[in-house]
Amino acid sequence: DAKTTQPNSMESNEEEPVHLPCNHSTISGTDYIHWYRQLPSQGPEYVIHGLTSNVNNRMASLAIAEDRKSSTLILHRATLRDAAVYYCITPNQAGTALIFGKGTTLSVSS
Amino acid sequence: ETGVTQSPTHLIKTRGQQVTLRCSSQSGHNTVSWYQQALGQGPQFIFQYYREEENGRGNFPPRFSGLQFPNYSSELNVNALELDDSALYLCASSQGLLGETQYFGPGTRLLVL
Repeated sequence: DAKTTQPNSMESNEEEPVHLPCNHSTISGTDYIHWYRQLPSQGPEYVIHGLTSNVNNRMASLAIAEDRKSSTLILHRATLRDAAVYYCITPNQAGTALIFGKGTTLSVSS
Repeated sequence: ETGVTQSPTHLIKTRGQQVTLRCSSQSGHNTVSWYQQALGQGPQFIFQYYREEENGRGNFPPRFSGLQFPNYSSELNVNALELDDSALYLCASSQGLLGETQYFGPGTRLLVL
């Protein structure tokens, strides 16, 4: 199963962009990269996912390196409600499970 | 559209007891996955059910078992509870397999004394 590496924590100010990095150097060619976030006392929430090209949705953008060994989740304007643990995830070999690491705890200050 | 729901929200048990946790999947979803999340850690995959059959299992002992019903709701059963089983148990549903987005419920917090 591919392993992901993320910084333990990051800080941001409100209304500033946030770039959350992730390394996944052992990812296979067909594995999607998923990002979820978990707010305090809640279950994980889907943010975005992608395979090769950059992806955008209403929550965030995902920039995937050309060699697919790393990716960056971009929150364009952080709000206090974006304070959460952000997980960069790849599926297991069988494609049945999401393999979570410890994630990055994002703090947002006003 | 109703999201994923779990019951109960909190539970306290003693060592050696058995517990059953319940999950209702999101409308239209036929796959349910269960995860265990210890304090300060990311969720760990327990097993997945697809159309009432177990479709994959993580590194958990046989005393963790499950069921999926014809309406695609699911149960997680844990026998012979141990102190280390204290955790947040998360259920996630998805439509189909292989990389489909999983939608998580709020979890059941289990405390084993």
